[in-house]
Amino acid sequence: GQNIDQPTEMTATEGAIVQINCTYQTSGFNGLFWYQQHAGEAPTFLSYNVLDGLEEKGRFSSFLSRSKGYSYLLLKELQMKDSASYLCAFLSGGYNKLIFGAGTRLAVHP
Amino acid sequence: GAGVSQSPSNKVTEKGKDVELRCDPISGHTALYWYRQSLGQGLEFLIYFQGNSAPDKSGLPSDRFSAERTGGSVSTLTIQRTQQEDSAVYLCASSLDWRNTEAFFGQGTRLTVV
Repeated sequence: GQNIDQPTEMTATEGAIVQINCTYQTSGFNGLFWYQQHAGEAPTFLSYNVLDGLEEKGRFSSFLSRSKGYSYLLLKELQMKDSASYLCAFLSGGYNKLIFGAGTRLAVHP
Repeated sequence: GAGVSQSPSNKVTEKGKDVELRCDPISGHTALYWYRQSLGQGLEFLIYFQGNSAPDKSGLPSDRFSAERTGGSVSTLTIQRTQQEDSAVYLCASSLDWRNTEAFFGQGTRLTVV
């Protein structure tokens, strides 16, 4: 079957670093995505990994290990505006269905 | 268009009525997704279109839900005989093609069934 898990909530301090983990199970895999969603808004794309390793984009980095079915999103130099939900999603094989996890609500406090 | 457009942005309907939700994807995007998001929850996959075809309808919750896409562009999601549990935000996303290296979301339609 297909399954994707991530922590429900996390808190962190402004200026710190936070790592949000995601594990997944699927029979076919065509890539792992991270999206950011502020309350009441649509999700926006953050990153895409299809090969193992780390992809860095400014303050955000995303890591993928396909053999372990594991990814993480690393946020550095946290800002208050980073308070949002972070959605992990994988692109399944076959019909290329984009399957989302329930999201991790990150609260950044001063 | 510049982005994915959904209409209406808000819809309040009485239980038992039919509703139709519309999605205008980004021009040239062949892949189109519908998701449902209840308050504080993740995105629940409903249906996926590649062109006008829907190879995966497995996420539709019941036979009261249907969707179509015409001309490889606009898509409509229809909910018949709405129930209170259908209340949610319905999000549409489109991507350039099946590789879906980035999906762009519309602002959603907030459906409230009273």
